Amino acid sequence: DTAVSQTPKYLVTQMGNDKSIKCEQNLGHDTMYWYKQDSKKFLKIMFSYNNKELIINETVPNRFSPKSPDKAHLNLHINSLELGDSAVYFCASSHLDEQFFGPGTRLTVL
Amino acid sequence: EDKVVQSPLSLVVHEGDTVTLNCSYEVTNFRSLLWYKQEKKAPTFLFMLTSSGIEKKSGRLSSILDKKELFSILNITATQTGDSAIYLCAATTGTASKLTFGTGTRLQVTL
Repeated sequence: DTAVSQTPKYLVTQMGNDKSIKCEQNLGHDTMYWYKQDSKKFLKIMFSYNNKELIINETVPNRFSPKSPDKAHLNLHINSLELGDSAVYFCASSHLDEQFFGPGTRLTVL
Repeated sequence: EDKVVQSPLSLVVHEGDTVTLNCSYEVTNFRSLLWYKQEKKAPTFLFMLTSSGIEKKSGRLSSILDKKELFSILNITATQTGDSAIYLCAATTGTASKLTFGTGTRLQVTL
């Protein structure tokens, strides 16, 4: 059974386009997160939602907009994609401190 | 700004060696220290430490936290090639379970 799933796994797109990444968790967790991992493998938190409410919003360009339709889903929409957005985006969920990560979405902006 | 620093950045050892990975942190409202292993895909959970001086152990891996000196170590004994991965340390802070990650230690175990 997949605990935290993301779609798509790979996304290749042109600069200026708008794209979305979806995340779902079946662990019954209250809190979900988006992380960005750059080419040097540094993982940085972007957003966190608890029971559909935004609780962490790090310094992220407002081209990135998370949406949580219910507590099992947290989607990430990115407008006007730039070259620097190329990275692996990980979704995660937690009940307490231990976070479970999805398989990641590798975004390449050309 | 919250900061987590790991050392060394990378390490190459021979199978059977013992390694120690270091993690120091400077964060506000510290809650816990987590270790993750990342191979090709998602980070997978290894340990969560909340109390000083209590060693957590899982097979050949063990970890301990020092809340006074603000660091943690991850030990791997009798390393195997399957231990080759990036090891990530992260501090959880505040009430929102925000994880601040270190830069990771890339471990390569050779035959």
